[in-house]
Amino acid sequence: QSALTQPASVSGSPGQSITISCTGTSSDVGYYNYVSWYQQHPGKAPKLVIYDVSNRPSGVSTRFSGSKSGNTASLTISSLQGEDEADYYCSSYTTSSTLGVFGTGTKVTVL
Amino acid sequence: EVQLVESGGGVVRPGGSLRLSCAASGFKFDNHGMNWVRQAPGKGLEWVSGISWNGGTIGYADSVKGRFTISRDNAKKSLYLQVNSLRAEDTALYYCVRDVSYIAFDIWGQGTMVTVSS
Repeated sequence: QSALTQPASVSGSPGQSITISCTGTSSDVGYYNYVSWYQQHPGKAPKLVIYDVSNRPSGVSTRFSGSKSGNTASLTISSLQGEDEADYYCSSYTTSSTLGVFGTGTKVTVL
Repeated sequence: EVQLVESGGGVVRPGGSLRLSCAASGFKFDNHGMNWVRQAPGKGLEWVSGISWNGGTIGYADSVKGRFTISRDNAKKSLYLQVNSLRAEDTALYYCVRDVSYIAFDIWGQGTMVTVSS
């Protein structure tokens, strides 16, 4: 089971919107609507920001939204703020016996 | 307070073994699937293993299959990971995490560090 593919880095200015992609296969991202996204600040445990493609956990800002088309899922952060600067990872349920896989990770920089 | 607390990490020689434990509190443990996720120093997240609420479904990453064994004790509200035949590439911070949906982890522990070194 190979890791899902994410861009290594994405940047944007405060107030702008950015989108992070997460590309898998028809055996994971493309098969199930079970894609999640995590935010991780340095030295901290990851935090779930989106699950089941587009659901936001309680307490997560509405500036975070998720979508999926075919084998690619996306996380959009609108009205970018300094506190959004972090690493972001996607994950997906898979059809294989391994059950789960993470993405390669994306570093978001707020310019 | 909903909490996961890992223990059992340490420094071990290649080929050695450890048993990682995770104590859950503040929620109904047997309502949730549980997983282990690891992160090597300076690297990304890697899903390691998962177990359903009743232990009926278990999965492992290809990188650990045959060497690691996940288990749970719902009466003790605890999750375990037996890690055998350790390799240098297993060096990582191991997180215990709770499922809110399939491979969607809403609660994370603080992690327990495993270092494999001769």
